[in-house]
Amino acid sequence: DSGVTQTPKHLITATGQRVTLRCSPRSGDLSVYWYQQSLDQGLQFLIQYYNGEERAKGNILERFSAQQFPDLHSELNLSSLELGDSALYFCASSVRTGGGSDTQYFGPGTRLTVL
Amino acid sequence: AQTVTQSQPEMSVQEAETVTLSCTYDTSESDYYLFWYKQPPSRQMILVIRQEAYKQQNATENRFSVNFQKAAKSFSLKISDSQLGDAAMYFCAYDHGTASKLTFGTGTRLQVTL
Repeated sequence: DSGVTQTPKHLITATGQRVTLRCSPRSGDLSVYWYQQSLDQGLQFLIQYYNGEERAKGNILERFSAQQFPDLHSELNLSSLELGDSALYFCASSVRTGGGSDTQYFGPGTRLTVL
Repeated sequence: AQTVTQSQPEMSVQEAETVTLSCTYDTSESDYYLFWYKQPPSRQMILVIRQEAYKQQNATENRFSVNFQKAAKSFSLKISDSQLGDAAMYFCAYDHGTASKLTFGTGTRLQVTL
């Protein structure tokens, strides 16, 4: 158990809908990262927040958005869902602002299925 | 852009034997970090081992060790005394020293047989 929690574990929804994925980082960690793992694209970095502020952005679609709240939990919002958005979404957390010396610990993931 | 390549989609090893998983990467940076993550059937991503590019000594964690060849941009993972619990997908990953994202390879599925 990494100490990072994600809810829900599974989510099944229809095309065009909107969902929210939630992540609670390890105690004391200030950074939260979101990754998408799909059969087509593999594991891809989406976005990072540090202490409430967006710090880095990867291949995140405009239909997707995220935020980190004062209690440091984070939410990833996915809207106008398409079949291709079906994937495993990971949250990771680290102590500092990132970089290779700042180990990222992954949560168990949320499996999103869009029908 | 940095890329990470794992050329072995699948590998198989007998229990108690040794197996080496390959990884190559491409970067123009001199300061970076390399990782191996394990993803068992539970789908949890677990850090196995980390290597700092500035360190010449290869990292070791119990039965797991790496062969880091900086000039060749190669970073292989050796698993000794393989156990059934080692069966998983293994991902090689790169992180620039000051960057905030991990760049992953496509993974190698390791099967451990009796």
